[in-house]
Amino acid sequence: SAVISQKPSRDICQRGTSLTIQCQVDSQVTMMFWYRQQPGQSLTLIATANQGSEATYESGFVIDKFPISRPNLTFSTLTVSNMSPEDSSIYLCSGGGTSGYNEQFFGPGTRLTVL
Amino acid sequence: AQSVTQLGSHVSVSEGALVLLRCNYSSSVPPYLFWYVQYPNQGLQLLLKYTSAATLVKGINGFEAEFKKSETSFHLTKPSAHMSDAAEYFCAVSEGFQKLVFGTGTRLLVSP
Repeated sequence: SAVISQKPSRDICQRGTSLTIQCQVDSQVTMMFWYRQQPGQSLTLIATANQGSEATYESGFVIDKFPISRPNLTFSTLTVSNMSPEDSSIYLCSGGGTSGYNEQFFGPGTRLTVL
Repeated sequence: AQSVTQLGSHVSVSEGALVLLRCNYSSSVPPYLFWYVQYPNQGLQLLLKYTSAATLVKGINGFEAEFKKSETSFHLTKPSAHMSDAAEYFCAVSEGFQKLVFGTGTRLLVSP
């Protein structure tokens, strides 16, 4: 398994600003993923972060709003740009690809509140 | 496309009682299936996974799940609930390219 940390753990931001969330894995992982979890709801995949190439975004999510970097096999960042109150959510990163069974290991999440 | 249905957004049990959380999946290929647990203000922790090696899968904290192909189910059980089991539980199916599709979650409430 992999141990994943995220920074910041929580933040309160003003609308119109941007926040960058960092995700660090304690070992190399092939795949990293970014999810959004709105209060009381399930996880929605934002994008898959690939090392050395652009992230692959799910329907409804765009690079201009959620730019992602993946400079190496243990680190990724997600930026939430031009925030609005609707972006208030928990953002989770995960790592996978270390086994043949598609399991993922999750970070503790970043709780974002936009005022 | 693969999907997961979790019946019951909330399940309440008494401490010491059987825990049964239901999960049905839809998949056109043999799936990989997972149960994750999320404690308040924390990320998701992998409880167990089905990888076709055995239909009865044992996980952490005394949980187990049985894969039933004929019923397209992967229900999670624990013989005796503990107060510390109170959490949100998510069933997930692998969709290929390493992606997971999650169910809507079931909140387990354990009363003394």
